[in-house]
Amino acid sequence: SQQGEEDPQALSIQEGENATMNCSYKTSINNLQWYRQNSGRGLVHLILIRSNEREKHSGRLRVTLDTSKKSSSLLITASRAADTASYFCATDYTNRDDKIIFGKGTRLHILP
Amino acid sequence: EAQVTQNPRYLITVTGKKLTVTCSQNMNHEYMSWYRQDPGLGLRQIYYSMNVEVTDKGDVPEGYKVSRKEKRNFPLILESPSPNQTSLYFCASSLFRQGSGELFFGEGSRLTVL
Repeated sequence: SQQGEEDPQALSIQEGENATMNCSYKTSINNLQWYRQNSGRGLVHLILIRSNEREKHSGRLRVTLDTSKKSSSLLITASRAADTASYFCATDYTNRDDKIIFGKGTRLHILP
Repeated sequence: EAQVTQNPRYLITVTGKKLTVTCSQNMNHEYMSWYRQDPGLGLRQIYYSMNVEVTDKGDVPEGYKVSRKEKRNFPLILESPSPNQTSLYFCASSLFRQGSGELFFGEGSRLTVL
């Protein structure tokens, strides 16, 4: 399976701390995206990073991509209660036209 | 407001009773797709469509059918539902091919097959 793997599966941190989630994938990619899902709701796109990029920022989000290690990380700085959600990476593999593969997600819980 | 709309949001049905989950998007997107989400398995693609009258199988197409007669609509059909199709279903769309940009998701349809 080419399904990406997020790590950790679950993460609990205090409000105000930074949260880091990782995603590993199997083969070469065109790009990698991160999505957020609030409990039982639809996924919401956060950020897309292309294979020739190493880092992208969006507000409190920072995404890095290391193609040599086939991994990406999502950092959420100064976490808030509203950040409690599941986070998924989605990889656009070069050998799988028109399909992206979602990982199983990291469940993030922000403690008050 | 740009959105993907799915109906019904919740449905309980019995084995073998045909059902259709509708999906409509108002963004003039070419690409539409159906996923199912199950605990421990993440999102798995069922079917996708690159444009009108163009559909293709995803990773778990068995037991499902789709059609794309109009650009905005992409219904998911379960001809003879079985309990293993109990799941949370999501429709999604994007402007062009799936991996090239942002996917917009509907709010999900929770289906229970008894």
